[in-house]
Amino acid sequence: DADVTQTPRNRITKTGKRIMLECSQTKGHDRMYWYRQDPGLGLRLIYYSFDVKDINKGEISDGYSVSRQAQAKFSLSLESAIPNQTALYFCATSDTGAQETQYFGPGTRLLVL
Amino acid sequence: QKEVEQDPGPLSVPEGAIVSLNCTYSNSAFQYFMWYRQYSRKGPELLMYTYSSGNKEDGRFTAQVDKSSKYISLFIRDSQPSDSATYLCAGYGNNRLAFGKGNQVVVIP
Repeated sequence: DADVTQTPRNRITKTGKRIMLECSQTKGHDRMYWYRQDPGLGLRLIYYSFDVKDINKGEISDGYSVSRQAQAKFSLSLESAIPNQTALYFCATSDTGAQETQYFGPGTRLLVL
Repeated sequence: QKEVEQDPGPLSVPEGAIVSLNCTYSNSAFQYFMWYRQYSRKGPELLMYTYSSGNKEDGRFTAQVDKSSKYISLFIRDSQPSDSATYLCAGYGNNRLAFGKGNQVVVIP
């Protein structure tokens, strides 16, 4: 089984809809991250969490919110989706003792119409 | 200016050639430097990482970091079609990773 899983893998939604992307990990890591990847822009950090009670904004957090339900689960929400949020979304994890080494999930491809 | 600059132009090479990829960075706080490999429709996977300046070799892959010039390099020797992927460089500092845009590499059999 994969260490970092993301659901759904693909999603099509309409402008204005609320959508949640979920991430689960079995690596036992404390730190979890959400990134988006766009052609020509690379990977950009949306939110990150060092533990269940510690959540921080990344460089592009506007329009997104997150919830760390447990050490192993970190969800990303788009409260009111807009077309420029169409992107590939990745969850990642790292261990506090090796925080520079991040492990990525398989990604969620989101299309907002 | 992005913290990590990577010319995103695609690169096509014949099988067996040496692939050379480069990045520059601007954040002096970076202590760790990574190369991630991303196959189509997959998540990035850590290929190599280097602490501070120096070289690191792993099989056909060599990573180099020159902190004096803020330059990061990856070399792939005897390239194989299975090396066809996007390669992303990254620097780690201030509790976060900063990525370059990625280079798509195609190794032609």
